[in-house]
Amino acid sequence: AQKVTQAQTEISVVEKEDVTLDCVYETRDTTYYLFWYKQPPSGELVFLIRRNSFDEQNEISGRYSWNFQKSTSSFNFTITASQVVDSAVYFCALRTERNTDKLIFGTGTRLQVFP
Amino acid sequence: DTGVSQDPRHKITKRGQNVTFRCDPISEHNRLYWYRQTLGQGPEFLTYFQNEAQLEKSRLLSDRFSAERPKGSFSTLEIQRTEQGDSAMYLCASSKPSGLARNTQYFGPGTRLTVL
Repeated sequence: AQKVTQAQTEISVVEKEDVTLDCVYETRDTTYYLFWYKQPPSGELVFLIRRNSFDEQNEISGRYSWNFQKSTSSFNFTITASQVVDSAVYFCALRTERNTDKLIFGTGTRLQVFP
Repeated sequence: DTGVSQDPRHKITKRGQNVTFRCDPISEHNRLYWYRQTLGQGPEFLTYFQNEAQLEKSRLLSDRFSAERPKGSFSTLEIQRTEQGDSAMYLCASSKPSGLARNTQYFGPGTRLTVL
């Protein structure tokens, strides 16, 4: 079965703190893709990153970084020096070759950044 | 590129009424997806199209739900005889099969349905 678990329901931090959002996935497929999306209060899902199962290199984009570890089936997301505008719900998602184009989402982590 | 657009953004209806939502994908995206998101949950897949062909339907899509994409461009999602349990955000996404961003789904703003 394919599954995505985001165990952290809600995280609150003060501006400028670093925060890590956890994502653990399950799949038996060897070829798969992992995604992170941001959903601000407006409701639109904003694409952040896509990673395929053959590329375990960590990635950094400005204040955002992602740590992909196949050994622990995790794809964690870190925001450095958080800002109030980072407040949103963040979703991790999985797409496998077996599931064709369907995205399987976790339940999301609500991040609140206070000034 | 203009993003994915959805209309209406909000819909309030009475139980038993029919509703129809529209999605316009990013131009040149030949794949279009519908998801449903209830409060506190992640989006759940409903169905997807490649051009005008509906290739997959979730078991969540009961007989009261129908989706079309007649000319391979915009899509409509119709819910007949709405029930209170249909209250949710309906999200549309699109993707293209080639290029650097291939198979990455870009989402619209959603249609929030409230069934009274």
